[in-house]
Amino acid sequence: NAGVTQTPKFQVLKTGQSMTLQCAQDMNHEYMSWYRQDPGMGLRLIHYSVGAGITDQGEVPNGYNVSRSTTEDFPLRLLSAAPSQTSVYFCASSPRQGWTEAFFGQGTRLTVV
Amino acid sequence: AQRVTQPEKLLSVFKGAPVELKCNYSYSGSPELFWYVQYSRQRLQLLLRHISRESIKGFTADLNKGETSFHLKKPFAQEEDSAMYYCALLNNAGNMLTFGGGTRLMVKP
Repeated sequence: NAGVTQTPKFQVLKTGQSMTLQCAQDMNHEYMSWYRQDPGMGLRLIHYSVGAGITDQGEVPNGYNVSRSTTEDFPLRLLSAAPSQTSVYFCASSPRQGWTEAFFGQGTRLTVV
Repeated sequence: AQRVTQPEKLLSVFKGAPVELKCNYSYSGSPELFWYVQYSRQRLQLLLRHISRESIKGFTADLNKGETSFHLKKPFAQEEDSAMYYCALLNNAGNMLTFGGGTRLMVKP
């Protein structure tokens, strides 16, 4: 089991560019989510999904899109990157019975210049 | 709205000293609370959850609904406890996990 896998690990974007952060899990978890981690602010929820075809907004959704076409994958799209989106992004998954234990990916460090 | 507050960004103690990492929450329902830990160069991982009433690596945490707190405690800190600790709250619907700002614990030899 690979658990939760995020790609890429590092990325540098220019302002205005778009990109997709990939997240895949092989544990057949229904729940998946994306967080961003900023110094002093902890992890803030961007978007989450409770199953294939179902997504919802979290605390800081602006500038990000998600879709969940399969149970395994939950990509995060940055539509037009801004310096304020410089952060470390974490994907997490949890079994169907809710977020009783979240399993995290290793993170993607994104820098927008 | 649910909110988790960890008032200390950094906590520095000597090895063998007691540790208490503070966590306060606001939530209108009946919360489910967790502590997550991130060791250097490792993934964020679950440390303990209040419903299990367990002790993991010597750490315990008690939910105090009157004070809306879920402080993490350990009687004797070890150097390997040095890490980033996050308190998290799960809403009643079980679909949103909210994290606090985190506390970095440094245990000095």
